Amino acid sequence: DSGVTQTPKHLITATGQRVTLRCSPRSGDLSVYWYQQSLDQGLQFLIQYYNGEERAKGNILERFSAQQFPDLHSELNLSSLELGDSALYFCASSEGGVGLTFFGQGTRLTVV
Amino acid sequence: GEDVEQSLFLSVREGDSSVINCTYTDSSSTYLYWYKQEPGAGLQLLTYIFSNMDMKQDQRLTVLLNKKDKHLSLRIADTQTGDSAIYFCAERRGGGADGLTFGKGTHLIIQP
Repeated sequence: DSGVTQTPKHLITATGQRVTLRCSPRSGDLSVYWYQQSLDQGLQFLIQYYNGEERAKGNILERFSAQQFPDLHSELNLSSLELGDSALYFCASSEGGVGLTFFGQGTRLTVV
Repeated sequence: GEDVEQSLFLSVREGDSSVINCTYTDSSSTYLYWYKQEPGAGLQLLTYIFSNMDMKQDQRLTVLLNKKDKHLSLRIADTQTGDSAIYFCAERRGGGADGLTFGKGTHLIIQP
């Protein structure tokens, strides 16, 4: 168990809908990262938050947004969903910007 | 190139050593990581190496780093059926603020 908790584990939704994925980082970790894993793109970095502030952006679509709350948990919001958004979404956390990064079990999103 | 490169498949006999290779991209990468992903599971941090090291050993795992060639390898001694998984090489590029950049993963197949 990495200590990073993600909910839900599975999500099935229709095109055009909006979903929220939730992540609780390891105790004491200030950085939270979101990644998308798909068969064609592999593992892609989406966005990083550090202590509530956005720190870095990767290949995140404008339809996607995230935030980190004062208790350090994070949410990834995906809107206007398309079939191509079906993927495994991982949350990861680290102590700081260069610490070891630990991943949650992921949320498998299926858009139908 | 811009990508972290790994071979897609490696097949070894049970009991032999497995060597998984990776070429990374950024000579200023500070940390290099190996993650393991079993079917339906999240990413497990296996081991890591700092860029100022040449080698790191951790039980059955040996990581070798050649900074000149930007080449990283993971050796698994006495490979067991439980080692069957996808192994991802990842680098944290210079600056540390961005997320990890992953290779596409090497599927390790164990033959009895």
